Amino acid sequence: KNQVEQSPQSLIILEGKNCTLQCNYTVSPFSNLRWYKQDTGRGPVSLTIMTFSENTKSNGRYTATLDADTKQSSLHITASQLSDSASYICGTPTDSWGKLQFGAGTQVVVTP
Amino acid sequence: DAGVIQSPRHEVTEMGQEVTLRCKPISGHNSLFWYRQTMMRGLELLIYFNNNVPIDDSGMPEDRFSAKMPNASFSTLKIQPSEPRDSAVYFCASSLVWSREAGNTIYFGEGSWLTVV
Repeated sequence: KNQVEQSPQSLIILEGKNCTLQCNYTVSPFSNLRWYKQDTGRGPVSLTIMTFSENTKSNGRYTATLDADTKQSSLHITASQLSDSASYICGTPTDSWGKLQFGAGTQVVVTP
Repeated sequence: DAGVIQSPRHEVTEMGQEVTLRCKPISGHNSLFWYRQTMMRGLELLIYFNNNVPIDDSGMPEDRFSAKMPNASFSTLKIQPSEPRDSAVYFCASSLVWSREAGNTIYFGEGSWLTVV
């Protein structure tokens, strides 16, 4: 069964600190993994798309890593800001047409 | 670029009533997806279209749910009759020339917040 699991479920960090979110997947065959940021009351917005040949990809203060061997990905947030408070969701396609399997998300709260 | 446009943004309806959610994908995109998001189950794919043709509707929960895409710029998701357990946020998303390998970005709308009482 194709699954995507994220950890932790939630976390609270102080403004300016770093944090790392985890995403484990069992989807096979694997093609790419996506990280989305979802602000409260808004739709998910794409942060990164990583293909199986990429190990690291950055988008500003967000850096995603991928280990296709262990089927793990992480999203690292550097020097967190209050605007980083959101839910972060990872997902990966389960077919050739774009059917994405998403994890439950990690709720990040950045406090002053 | 206007992005994916959904309407209504919020709807409160009584159990048994028909609900129609609307979506205008990004111009030029040829793949359209309908997702449902709840606290319990997260984001779930209901149905998706490619070039206006439904590809996979296995995520549609019951026959009460139906979706159409009469043309490249419009899609509807209909629930009839609605039930309280249908309360959720329904997202429409679109993508250009979906490729499993290239992984083109899927753009989400802001969602339709449905409450069935």
